[in-house]
Amino acid sequence: KQEVTQIPAALSVPEGENLVLNCSFTDSAIYNLQWFRQDPGKGLTSLLLIQSSQREQTSGRLNASLDKSSGRSTLYIAASQPGDSATYLCAVDDYKLSFGAGTTVTVRA
Amino acid sequence: DAGVTQSPTHLIKTRGQQVTLRCSPKSGHDTVSWYQQALGQGPQFIFQYYEEEERQRGNFPDRFSGHQFPNYSSELNVNALLLGDSALYLCASSPGLESTSYEQYFGPGTRLTVT
Repeated sequence: KQEVTQIPAALSVPEGENLVLNCSFTDSAIYNLQWFRQDPGKGLTSLLLIQSSQREQTSGRLNASLDKSSGRSTLYIAASQPGDSATYLCAVDDYKLSFGAGTTVTVRA
Repeated sequence: DAGVTQSPTHLIKTRGQQVTLRCSPKSGHDTVSWYQQALGQGPQFIFQYYEEEERQRGNFPDRFSGHQFPNYSSELNVNALLLGDSALYLCASSPGLESTSYEQYFGPGTRLTVT
C-alpha cells in the first residue's frame, strides 16, 4: 500500500523567502507525481505534474523535482508572496492518486 | 472551457439517510474519480469510472456506490449515512487511457455534513 508523507506539516515564512516543501512515498512504481494547492474549504488546483520519466518540472516561480529511486519529491517556491498562503498537497499516481496530508504554508507580509 | 463542476456545493443530511452527489468532467475527459477528504487530511480515493464501468476502488464500504453516464458525468451515492461520512467530496477528471497525460483536474467539491 502506497504511503505518502509530507514534511513539514506547517510552515510560516516572511514574504520574499524561498519555500521548500518535501514529499516522500514508499512505492516507486508510479506513473507520475502531481503537486496541488488547496485554499481553505476549496477544491484542488493542479500546480505541476512530473511524469515518472522526468526529473523535474518548472512553472513560473515553482519548480518540482522527482527522485523515484529514493521515493522523494521536492517543491520549491521562489520569492514567496502572501498569496502563496495555502495547503500544498503532493499525490503519487499508480492509476489512482495517493495523497499526503499536506503542508500548510503561511507567508507573512 | 468549463472545468470540472460538482453539485450541490453544500449538503446537510441526517444519520441513516442517503445522498447523491454529482460531477461533470472537464471537456474532453472521459475518466472520473471520486475522493473523500476529511478535515485536516489528504483526500482518500473512493473509486474511478471509465466507459461507464468502475475500474478501481479504494478501501470504502459498499455503502459507497457510483455511476457514470454516457456523457461521462458521474454520481456518487452514499447509503445509511454515518457521522464519519462528513467530509469534502471531490471529483476529478482526466483524459482516458489513450492519452499520454494522466493529469487530474479537480472540481470545487461538495461539503457533506451528517448530523
